[in-house]
Amino acid sequence: GQQLNQSPQSMFIQEGEDVSMNCTSSSIFNTWLWYKQDPGEGPVLLIALYKAGELTSNGRLTAQFGITRKDSFLNISASIPSDVGIYFCAGQSGAGSYQLTFGKGTKLSVIP
Amino acid sequence: NAGVMQNPRHLVRRRGQEARLRCSPMKGHSHVYWYRQLPEEGLKFMVYLQKENIIDESGMPKERFSAEFPKEGPSILRIQQVVRGDSAAYFCASSRDISGNTIYFGEGSWLTVV
Repeated sequence: GQQLNQSPQSMFIQEGEDVSMNCTSSSIFNTWLWYKQDPGEGPVLLIALYKAGELTSNGRLTAQFGITRKDSFLNISASIPSDVGIYFCAGQSGAGSYQLTFGKGTKLSVIP
Repeated sequence: NAGVMQNPRHLVRRRGQEARLRCSPMKGHSHVYWYRQLPEEGLKFMVYLQKENIIDESGMPKERFSAEFPKEGPSILRIQQVVRGDSAAYFCASSRDISGNTIYFGEGSWLTVV
């Protein structure tokens, strides 16, 4: 089956620093999604990307859909304590495709 | 996120018992999906249902697991004769149509098998 490799697995950063994480795949995805999951909660959609090369921002978050359609990255600028959580990338392989393939997540810790 | 309601939020079962997890989709959503999240892992697709129909159960284990979405009432994920390996978070999601970007997840049901 399709697999997403997400890195890094975990990060410890100082408050105010910028953060970057990425996902790569051996197969092509037509949609890339980035979710955040807080402990004991469900994933919440942060950014959705629909076109190769697309760069989309949501506040301090910026994500890009790789040109090859096999990768995506998420940047968080000027991190704050409430950014703590696990960030997941997810890919969707085609129009009308309902299955999401998730990465294993990047656990972010922010030191005040 | 808060619109998809799951219960119970936490469930403890002894080995061999049955677990029933319920999901009420967001208002106006007729497509329901169940995902499982093992500790330290991402979510894995299990099953996709519409009212009274199982559309795709390719991610469901062949035995002991079943899902339904009746005409009236919530979707149910049923696990019979639970084993320790079934311990996981089970997430329900719903959408208005078949489109991954409009899927909204519930807060999950955490199953612990002792």
